[in-house]
Amino acid sequence: DIVLTQAPLSVSVTPGESASISCRSSKSLLSSKGITSLYWYLQKPGKSPQLLIYRMSNLASGVPDRFSGSGSETDFTLKISKVETEDVGVYYCAQFLEYPFTFGSGTKLEIK
Amino acid sequence: QVQLQQSGAELAKPGSSVKISCKASGYTFTSYYISWIKQTTGQGLEYIGYINTGSGGTNYNEKFKGKATLTVDKSSSTAFMQLSSLTPDDSAVYYCARFGAAPFAYWGQGTLVTVSS
Repeated sequence: DIVLTQAPLSVSVTPGESASISCRSSKSLLSSKGITSLYWYLQKPGKSPQLLIYRMSNLASGVPDRFSGSGSETDFTLKISKVETEDVGVYYCAQFLEYPFTFGSGTKLEIK
Repeated sequence: QVQLQQSGAELAKPGSSVKISCKASGYTFTSYYISWIKQTTGQGLEYIGYINTGSGGTNYNEKFKGKATLTVDKSSSTAFMQLSSLTPDDSAVYYCARFGAAPFAYWGQGTLVTVSS
């Protein structure tokens, strides 16, 4: 199975500052079609996860452009600029290149 | 709008089975697969498998073969997951999610399963 390793485990951010979350894959997530199959989700407290970023760097519908995704074949970053209080929750990366699909262990974002 | 409405919380005894439902609305049910995901505090999010809502074909994570059985009722736009031979390790929140070009863009609200004697 593809292992996704997230860092840090948690991050505490002052509103208005930026935050970065890392996700490292045990295998390249670049498909033969040239698509990088790495996704980012946010699970707000008491809610279901919601899609933020698809295919490494594409913003999902309705997601503020404060969120951005970048990376290479195995190393990925989610950046949140100008963090707002509504951004609290647990962020997960996920891969859909191979079965079984797998998720990172999550990064908890808190507000200072 | 797209909605996935899951059935309510379950309390089950060890060795028994439970069947969770996921009713879809707001889109053509058979145009997208339905996946199931397990969430626990210790193991995080785990992919269980998906069902092709048109053909009924399934794909399971090896870890959940023999534990989970996915079915679908097209007439009611509802997907089901049965969990059998329950143990305390099966206690978790289970989500259904729509699987399409943007995987898991839509999730159900989750169903809490508690296994306890």
